[in-house]
Amino acid sequence: DIQMTQSPTTLSASVGDRVTITCRASQSISTSLAWYQQKPGKVPKLVIYKASSLESGVPSRFSGSGSGTEFTLTISDLQPDDFATYYCQQYNNYSPFTFGQGTKLEIK
Amino acid sequence: QVQLVQSGAEVKKPGASVKLSCKASGYMFTTYYIHWLRQAPGQGLEWVGIINPNGDGTSYTQSFQGRVSMSTDTSTGTVYMELSSLTSEDTAVYYCARGTVMLRTAFHIWGQGTLVTVSS
Repeated sequence: DIQMTQSPTTLSASVGDRVTITCRASQSISTSLAWYQQKPGKVPKLVIYKASSLESGVPSRFSGSGSGTEFTLTISDLQPDDFATYYCQQYNNYSPFTFGQGTKLEIK
Repeated sequence: QVQLVQSGAEVKKPGASVKLSCKASGYMFTTYYIHWLRQAPGQGLEWVGIINPNGDGTSYTQSFQGRVSMSTDTSTGTVYMELSSLTSEDTAVYYCARGTVMLRTAFHIWGQGTLVTVSS
């Protein structure tokens, strides 16, 4: 199985900040990487797919980059609605698809 | 619009089985794979398996092999997941999700989730 490792586990930031979350894959996954946002008690929401493609309806302050084994999700000008847990997911190998452990973005 | 609507919450005893449903609408049902995932309380996301709604096949993650079965009813546009030999560790919210027409895909559309509680 491909292991996905996110860092940091928890990130404290303020409204208006720019933050970056990193996701590393245990082997190359090309650009088959997605990022999801999840708020407590809610369904995960796709934010970025194919490493850098913005899902329809997602604000442009979200951006993704990377290929191979290292990826980043950047949120510029943090808004109150952005505080949530973020998960990366690889879909290069479908058996199984695997997720990172999550990064909780908290208000400082 | 495209949506996946899941069945309601379930409470089961250890050793029992549960069968969840996921009804698709707003698109051609047989064109898109459906995935099942789960999330235990306070934990991350775990992929359970995938089914091709046209009946071409399924694939399950190793840890569920022998306990999980996925099926479809093309007449109603519904996908089912049955999980047997339940233990307390199966207590989780179970999601169905859909991506693009490709097998390897991100999950663009999610069901609302079904809470399964396993308790004696």
